[in-house]
Amino acid sequence: QQQVKQSPQSLIVQKGGISIINCAYENTAFDYFPWYQQFPGKGPALLIAIRPDVSEKKEGRFTISFNKSAKQFSLHIMDSQPGDSATYFCAATHSGSARQLTFGSGTQLTVLP
Amino acid sequence: EADIYQTPRYLVIGTGKKITLECSQTMGHDKMYWYQQDPGMELHLIHYSYGVNSTEKGDLSSESTVSRIRTEHFPLTLESARPSHTSQYLCASSPGARGYTFGSGTRLTVV
Repeated sequence: QQQVKQSPQSLIVQKGGISIINCAYENTAFDYFPWYQQFPGKGPALLIAIRPDVSEKKEGRFTISFNKSAKQFSLHIMDSQPGDSATYFCAATHSGSARQLTFGSGTQLTVLP
Repeated sequence: EADIYQTPRYLVIGTGKKITLECSQTMGHDKMYWYQQDPGMELHLIHYSYGVNSTEKGDLSSESTVSRIRTEHFPLTLESARPSHTSQYLCASSPGARGYTFGSGTRLTVV
């Protein structure tokens, strides 16, 4: 019930293209869905987050789309750049879990120049 | 700029040695976490703490131990390092409402 399933495991995109990473969850109690970006040799850093009362949140080239009925959410990176090459983790949490995050398994994104 | 600090960044140590990985945060967060991660791979929770004198084991079984004597400090100890402990160890803290802040990690190699 706590699992968050993330796909794809790896993704290769041409510069300027759109990168899309998908996550699905089972626990309907989840009420906060952050995405983390991790560069090699660094810890993950919060990229963007959404609550289930909205269907989309956009920050620059990064957009989260949220489908509450399908229990799915996705990260879209528009105009992908080589500097976006990193590992991306989706996550979810709810107040009943003491706000402990449940992470997806990660997606390694490579943006080709 | 980092508010959570991990030392050392890299450690190469022989089998059987005792090691302590340090983690300190200056944000006053009650919640702290240790994750084990192979480079670019899944994050596995090994320990967490919700406050001073509170520690719990995570989802991934680990031979390491932790302590939380001060709010800002959450060290992880391996009494006898083995090659299977070779990995990256990430520390994180959280105020509870807005997700985690991660340190840069310690890359441990046991030879």
